[in-house]
Amino acid sequence: EAGVAQSPRYKIIEKRQSVAFWCNPISGHATLYWYQQILGQGPKLLIQFQNNGVVDDSQLPKDRFSAERLKGVDSTLKIQPAKLEDSAVYLCASSLNAGHNNEKLFFGSGTQLSVL
Amino acid sequence: GENVEQHPSTLSVQEGDSAVIKCTYSDSASNYFPWYKQELGKGPQLIIDIRSNVGEKKDQRIAVTLNKTAKHFSLHITETQPEDSAVYFCAASIRGSSASKIIFGSGTRLSIRP
Repeated sequence: EAGVAQSPRYKIIEKRQSVAFWCNPISGHATLYWYQQILGQGPKLLIQFQNNGVVDDSQLPKDRFSAERLKGVDSTLKIQPAKLEDSAVYLCASSLNAGHNNEKLFFGSGTQLSVL
Repeated sequence: GENVEQHPSTLSVQEGDSAVIKCTYSDSASNYFPWYKQELGKGPQLIIDIRSNVGEKKDQRIAVTLNKTAKHFSLHITETQPEDSAVYFCAASIRGSSASKIIFGSGTRLSIRP
């Protein structure tokens, strides 16, 4: 079974530039998550999709971050414009279903973003 | 707000000894408590989980305990081996209006001394 695919693996940009990350979840997984992991901290949920609808984006800085999941499969996360404090690993995860059933999350390897 | 606190932040044990990591949570409605292991350059991977209707669960050298009254849960690793060296995260489910979400503790860096 193929895992969660993310690209790029690394990205270095200057502040105020834009950047986009891509995620392909495990086939058949209805729920997709984007987490931000700052060095030395635990993953922080940015946005959670159920199929192609958003079920939680309470921690997403909507003035600069946006995400979409077209057709309920792949997803992209965009930052525009980037700030120094956005330097982190951006992890994508998927689960078969979520709702209130609480299922196992499968994580990709992440995209490491450095903002200079 | 909802949070999960994890201790210690770093832990060093002799190979063969046991390691214990402890977490507390704030939302009394939380009913699912997974533990993840993260190796360098990789995403977190689930190693064990426990639901609120169970007090303890064991899988080979790994065990988790849950005290719902005190809102505490712990990870126990026995007979530690070099490959257990990694960062471990506890997590808890938080119930939202349309779905539950998983929030993570701050992590414990476990080092196994040969």
